[in-house]
Amino acid sequence: KAGVTQTPRYLIKTRGQQVTLSCSPISGHRSVSWYQQTPGQGLQFLFEYFSETQRNKGNFPGRFSGRQFSNSRSEMNVSTLELGDSALYLCASSGTSVLEQYFGPGTRLTVT
Amino acid sequence: QKEVEQDPGPLSVPEGAIVSLNCTYSNSAFQYFMWYRQYSRKGPELLMYTYSSGNKEDGRFTAQVDKSSKYISLFIRDSQPSDSATYLCALRKTSYDKVIFGPGTSLSVIP
Repeated sequence: KAGVTQTPRYLIKTRGQQVTLSCSPISGHRSVSWYQQTPGQGLQFLFEYFSETQRNKGNFPGRFSGRQFSNSRSEMNVSTLELGDSALYLCASSGTSVLEQYFGPGTRLTVT
Repeated sequence: QKEVEQDPGPLSVPEGAIVSLNCTYSNSAFQYFMWYRQYSRKGPELLMYTYSSGNKEDGRFTAQVDKSSKYISLFIRDSQPSDSATYLCALRKTSYDKVIFGPGTSLSVIP
């Protein structure tokens, strides 16, 4: 069974631009969660989608948004990028056992 | 006060040692406790999860939860160089609630 895939793996953007990251969950998994990981703040929850509906949301500004498609693939978007948005963005999927989250390799975003 | 605290390390031990990794938390509403391992440049990998207080063993790994003290532990027996990674504790109030991660402890097992 293929794992969670994330594209692109690396991205360099300029302050003020917007970016869209993509996540394909494990086949059959309907829950997709997004996290931001930085050296200073650690791993922080952004949001979770289940069957195309946002189920949980973290404490991030409205510049961070996401969506999930009918095939469970998910995208997250960050508008008006700031230098502080430089981070590793991780996606995780879970199936019937909601406690078992499987993480992708992440997308390394650098904002200059 | 942060919701979850964890000694960042780095923790360095000789091969074969017993490793103890710990987290403390402040909110008694947490009921689900997970441990993840993250290798450099990889996503976290779930090691095990427990519900409420008690112990759970899986091979060389034992997770322990003491809800009265708001303290959770992960023990690694017969540590191996391949165990060198960052270990993250994670907590949830309900099985469908968002996951709160600790900052992680960096572990190095020296051959």
